[in-house]
Amino acid sequence: DVKVTQSSRYLVKRTGEKVFLECVQDMDHENMFWYRQDPGLGLRLIYFSYDVKMKEKGDIPEGYSVSREKKERFSLILESASTNQTSMYLCASSWTRNSNQPQHFGDGTRLSIL
Amino acid sequence: AQSVTQPDIHITVSEGASLELRCNYSYGATPYLFWYVQSPGQGLQLLLKYFSGDTLVQGIKGFEAEFKRSQSSFNLRKPSVHWSDAAEYFCAVGPNNDYKLSFGAGTTVTVRA
Repeated sequence: DVKVTQSSRYLVKRTGEKVFLECVQDMDHENMFWYRQDPGLGLRLIYFSYDVKMKEKGDIPEGYSVSREKKERFSLILESASTNQTSMYLCASSWTRNSNQPQHFGDGTRLSIL
Repeated sequence: AQSVTQPDIHITVSEGASLELRCNYSYGATPYLFWYVQSPGQGLQLLLKYFSGDTLVQGIKGFEAEFKRSQSSFNLRKPSVHWSDAAEYFCAVGPNNDYKLSFGAGTTVTVRA
């Protein structure tokens, strides 16, 4: 069974801090995703990675960057956290680039920026 | 670009009653369609998916969904809900040649005893 693990369930940081959210998958998936989930807005894609060191911007990349140095690990970085980045962050992975491969999600990180 | 609308923000249903969640999509061709469920404090779990073929698809936990091209809909149903079905449900649509999924805003289901 696919396991996507996000390193923190809850995280509290201060405005201006650099924040790292980590995600690891154990199924050798090519693709990994970072989403942001906000009430009434559903999930919005921040960044997508289709291979080591490869990435594409999603719908809302501003204020975020990502790193994928190893296939199994995908990190989301908030360079200088702001209060409007308080949200639930979900990581996902899938086999191939095509959307017919279901995405498998981690349990999420609830991030609060004070 | 594709988009998804889930018209119902919140539905309350009695345990044992039937449930139907609505999903309408916008896409130029036949898309890939998904329903995911998110239990409190957890990530999203895939309930079922539609790519082609039989328009009635069966999923896990007793759920099914019907694709209706003429109505651009992919509604989710369950004949008899259990208290454990209380969760948030997301419909998603993806193009058949790329990775990018678009998610609806979600429908929260409350189950009353």
